[in-house]
Amino acid sequence: DIQMTQSPSLLSTSVGDRVTITCRASQSISRYLNWYQQKPGKAPKLLIYVASSLQSGVPSRFSGSGSGTDFTLTISSLQPEDFATYYCQQSFSTPGTFGQGTKLEIK
Amino acid sequence: EVQLVQSGAEVKKPGESLKISCKGSGYSFANYWIGWVRQMPGKGLEWMGIIYPGDSDIRYSPSFQGQVTISADKSISTAYLQWSSLKASDTAIYYCARRSPEGAPDYWGQGTPVTVSS
Repeated sequence: DIQMTQSPSLLSTSVGDRVTITCRASQSISRYLNWYQQKPGKAPKLLIYVASSLQSGVPSRFSGSGSGTDFTLTISSLQPEDFATYYCQQSFSTPGTFGQGTKLEIK
Repeated sequence: EVQLVQSGAEVKKPGESLKISCKGSGYSFANYWIGWVRQMPGKGLEWMGIIYPGDSDIRYSPSFQGQVTISADKSISTAYLQWSSLKASDTAIYYCARRSPEGAPDYWGQGTPVTVSS
C-alpha cells in the first residue's frame, strides 16, 4: 500500500498569503497525484490532477507541481473562501490512497 | 451534466445489514470506475474500493477487504456499498466518486451519513 504524508497538518495563515502544502509518497507515483479541497459538511472538490493540471472552473491561484515522490500545492494569494482542508491523493495504484489532510485556518 | 446522487441518511443498530446506493447520470456509467470513500467523524478521507461497472472488476483497499461489498448494476447506472453486519465503528459519511480517465475522482456524490448505535 502506498502511503501519502502531507505537511503541515495545520496551517495558520492570512488572506493574501502565499501558501504551500507538501505531499510525499512512500514510493514513486510518477505524476499520478491529485489535490482536493473540502469544506465542512461538503463533498471534496477536485482542484488539481496529474500533479499540475488545473480542473475546469478552479481559480488560477491554485497550482500544483512535482513528480516521483514529492509534490506541492500552492495557493498564490489566499482568499477568504480558501480556508478549508486540503488532501492529496495518489492514483498510481487502484483504488488509491489519500494523505491525512492539511487544514488552513485564519491566523 | 454529470451527477452522482446517493441514497439518504441511515440509522442502524450493531449487527444489522445495510446497502447504500449511488446513481450516476449525465455520462456513460459503464465506462468509468466508480468508488467509495469513507470519512469518519472529524477525520480524513479513506478510499474503500472501486468498481468498473462495465465488467464488474472490483478493487478493495486492504483495510476494507472482507469488511464491505461493492457492486454495481450498469442497467440502472447505480453502484452499491453494503455491509452484512454493521459495527459502531462504521459510523461515518460515505461518498461515492467517479474516477476520471486520468485517475482522479472528478465527480462526487453528496455523501450518505451512516450512524450505527445501540
